[in-house]
Amino acid sequence: ETGVTQTPRHLVMGMTNKKSLKCEQHLGHNAMYWYKQSAKKPLELMFVYSLEERVENNSVPSRFSPECPNSSHLFLHLHTLQPEDSALYLCASSQDFGSARGHTDTQYFGPGTRLTVL
Amino acid sequence: GNSVTQMEGPVTLSEEAFLTINCTYTATGYPSLFWYVQYPGEGLQLLLKATKADDKGSNKGFEATYRKETTSFHLEKGSVQVSDSAVYFCALSESYQKVTFGTGTKLQVIP
Repeated sequence: ETGVTQTPRHLVMGMTNKKSLKCEQHLGHNAMYWYKQSAKKPLELMFVYSLEERVENNSVPSRFSPECPNSSHLFLHLHTLQPEDSALYLCASSQDFGSARGHTDTQYFGPGTRLTVL
Repeated sequence: GNSVTQMEGPVTLSEEAFLTINCTYTATGYPSLFWYVQYPGEGLQLLLKATKADDKGSNKGFEATYRKETTSFHLEKGSVQVSDSAVYFCALSESYQKVTFGTGTKLQVIP
């Protein structure tokens, strides 16, 4: 399998549930990202991992908890979410994070997980 | 901080029409510029990019030229097809910084 894969593709959960989103990249990249995509809003960068270390956390509520056990896998653990958290959650990877001149910042995205919080 | 402004959609065109989607940016340095495309039910895919002023990125009949004097990176295609219907995102990346995306422009091409 090539590229960036995400599971599940669709998830419906209640506000008291705990669930996890999974992302896997088969590109040999060093950086991985979680984005939130809501209707009529720019993509919101949530977390960045570079060489398995978190390098960016954009004031994301603690009900979202990322985990990067190795450079190929990224998880987003969810608990006690709110209905406004319903969105498409996209995972991406790139060769490196924040390279000089941006030449290697091309990001490769997975298909996303459509999350609905009831 | 950095920002990207795109024209609001949806843009509706007939097949074989000429397409322009405007994109302007604000950045403190010398960013690289990108266009990504998102087809229904999929993630974003890189469409084209340009890394310095006056560079032209091109792919699949789409083109965009990096205009530093007008801080713009407008996307163009001479003859659109129904299969080009998607959401198009303009983005920029500066050295050692994250990528900044625009809000996206939805393109609908009708037969």
